[in-house]
Amino acid sequence: DAKTTQPPSMDCAEGRAANLPCNHSTISGNEYVYWYRQIHSQGPQYIIHGLKNNETNEMASLIITEDRKSSTLILPHATLRDTAVYYCIAPINFGNEKLTFGTGTRLTIIP
Amino acid sequence: DAGVIQSPRHEVTEMGQEVTLRCKPISGHNSLFWYRQTMMRGLELLIYFNNNVPIDDSGMPEDRFSAKMPNASFSTLKIQPSEPRDSAVYFCASSYLLAASSGEQYFGPGTRLTVT
Repeated sequence: DAKTTQPPSMDCAEGRAANLPCNHSTISGNEYVYWYRQIHSQGPQYIIHGLKNNETNEMASLIITEDRKSSTLILPHATLRDTAVYYCIAPINFGNEKLTFGTGTRLTIIP
Repeated sequence: DAGVIQSPRHEVTEMGQEVTLRCKPISGHNSLFWYRQTMMRGLELLIYFNNNVPIDDSGMPEDRFSAKMPNASFSTLKIQPSEPRDSAVYFCASSYLLAASSGEQYFGPGTRLTVT
């Protein structure tokens, strides 16, 4: 079973930052948080992952709270192509490649 | 790189028939995963391989399902006999197991299976 909690749906205006929260209160010190998204009718797409420090790549930023019990995925300038279901997946240990997908957050970008 | 390749993209078959889904992982990746996605159950991991060896098949629903990985560039998922409840989208994914990227998987486009 997924060990994360995400809101079922969110809307965001095009061009604004989309902030997607995730609660992973049972995570421990050496366990990672991963984010994926699934655009309609496509396979899931890896976005970003982190352990304790904030991370940024060309797709998004990941902010992890100091106690590591929650995180926020930030899409800085959302476009219509960012409409998708976003999955927060935790915990992931080194050597444990199993991903357990929950129900995710359905993000809709509004023109 | 062409990414993960799956075939066929769509399969329609009658109950009782054998179905074989195929996957070619990204070259150089050493882990391969088979997932199934339905509206009711979401995205579920069926089985995964590391270096062509099955590591965890606890998600395989029953004996009608079998998976093989004869070499690093090819895997099959077989359903025999198929049933209507097997209708789903089946995804294959691959990854390269590294210290800080254990969960970074690359998914194929999926095979949409319909069993009538």
